[in-house]
Amino acid sequence: AQSVAQPEDQVNVAEGNPLTVKCTYSVSGNPYLFWYVQYPNRGLQFLLKYITGDNLVKGSYGFEAEFNKSQTSFHLKKPSALVSDSALYFCAVRDRGASGGSYIPTFGRGTSLIVHP
Amino acid sequence: EAGVAQSPRYKIIEKRQSVAFWCNPISGHATLYWYQQILGQGPKLLIQFQNNGVVDDSQLPKDRFSAERLKGVDSTLKIQPAKLEDSAVYLCASSSSRAGVSSYNEQFFGPGTRLTVL
Repeated sequence: AQSVAQPEDQVNVAEGNPLTVKCTYSVSGNPYLFWYVQYPNRGLQFLLKYITGDNLVKGSYGFEAEFNKSQTSFHLKKPSALVSDSALYFCAVRDRGASGGSYIPTFGRGTSLIVHP
Repeated sequence: EAGVAQSPRYKIIEKRQSVAFWCNPISGHATLYWYQQILGQGPKLLIQFQNNGVVDDSQLPKDRFSAERLKGVDSTLKIQPAKLEDSAVYLCASSSSRAGVSSYNEQFFGPGTRLTVL
C-alpha cells in the first residue's frame, strides 16, 4: 500500500529565511508526487507536481521541490519565506501503477508552516 | 473560470440523522473526487468518479455512505445514518484526468462542507 509521511506537524521560520517542508513516500511502483497548500477557510490549492524528468520542480509562489528517488523524498522548499506563506501544506502521492499499485491519491497529514515577521 | 462549488458550507446534525452534500465541478472536468478530512489529518479519498461511473470506492463506508453522479456533472454524497465519528470536512475536487490510468493531473478543490455530528 502506498503512504506519505510528513514528519513535522509544524515548521517555524523567520521571514526572509529559506524554508523546507519535508515529505517522504512509499509506493510499489513509480510515483506521481504533488504539493498542495490550504489557507484558512479555503480549499486546497495545487502548488507543484513531479511526473518525470528533471528532479527539481518549480511551482507557484516561488516554491520548488526536489524529487529524490533513493531517499524516497519530495521536500518542498522556498529560498525566502514570506509571512503570507503561512498555511497548511500537504504532500500527496499517486502510484503510476506499473507494479499493480493503487491509483488513488494518498495525502500526508499536513505540516503547518508559520512564518514570523 | 469558476471553481468547484460545494454546498452547504456548514451542517450540524444529530447522530442517526441523514445528511447530503452537493458538488458542482469545474466545467469540462470528467473526474470528480470526494474526500473526508478529519481534523488534524490529511484528506482521505472516499470515492472517485469518471463521468458518471465509479473508478474507485474502496475507502467508502458503504453501509452508511453513498454517492452518485447521475449525469456526469454534479455529484451528491449522502450519509445515512450519521455517527459521531463522521464529523469532518467533506471536500470535493475535480480534474481533467482520464480514467483507467494513473493520473498526473492536479486536482482543483472546493471550499468543503464542515459537518458536525452531535
